[in-house]
Amino acid sequence: SAVISQKPSRDICQRGTSLTIQCQVDSQVTMMFWYRQQPGQSLTLIATANQGSEATYESGFVIDKFPISRPNLTFSTLTVSNMSPEDSSIYLCSVLGWDNTGELFFGEGSRLTVL
Amino acid sequence: AQSVSQHNHHVILSEAASLELGCNYSYGGTVNLFWYVQYPGQHLQLLLKYFSGDPLVKGIKGFEAEFIKSKFSFNLRKPSVQWSDTAEYFCAVNARRDTGRRALTFGSGTRLQVQP
Repeated sequence: SAVISQKPSRDICQRGTSLTIQCQVDSQVTMMFWYRQQPGQSLTLIATANQGSEATYESGFVIDKFPISRPNLTFSTLTVSNMSPEDSSIYLCSVLGWDNTGELFFGEGSRLTVL
Repeated sequence: AQSVSQHNHHVILSEAASLELGCNYSYGGTVNLFWYVQYPGQHLQLLLKYFSGDPLVKGIKGFEAEFIKSKFSFNLRKPSVQWSDTAEYFCAVNARRDTGRRALTFGSGTRLQVQP
């Protein structure tokens, strides 16, 4: 398994501002993903963070709103840009396990509240 | 597009009752199936997974799930629940998405409340 650390763990932000969430993994991993869990809802995949190239976004998510960086195999950032109250959510970093079954390991998440 | 359906949104049981949570998916290709649990205030943890082989898989804490390919189902079961099983349970399917990448798609979750 992998140990995943996210910062910040929680934050309260003002409308119109941007916040960058960091994800650090204790080992090199090939695949990293960013999910969103809105209040009372399930997890929705935002994008796959690709090392050394642009992230692959899912339908409904765009790079201008959620720019992602992945400079190496242990680190990624997700920025939530120009935030509105609808962006209030838990943002989760996850990594693919080594056993090739598709199992994901999750960080504890970053809880954002936008006022 | 693939989807995962969990039929029970909120389940309330007494301790020692049996549990079965339904999960159906819509995808015709090769899938790997998972159940994750999220205890209050904690991060998601894997309960069990099906990759291949025996369709009846056993996970942690006495949970098991059965993959029925003909029904596109992967229901979670536990013969006797405990108060500590109170949590949110998510079914997930690993399959190729519209982007061409394989990733986990989650169901809407089932909140289990076990009363002592």
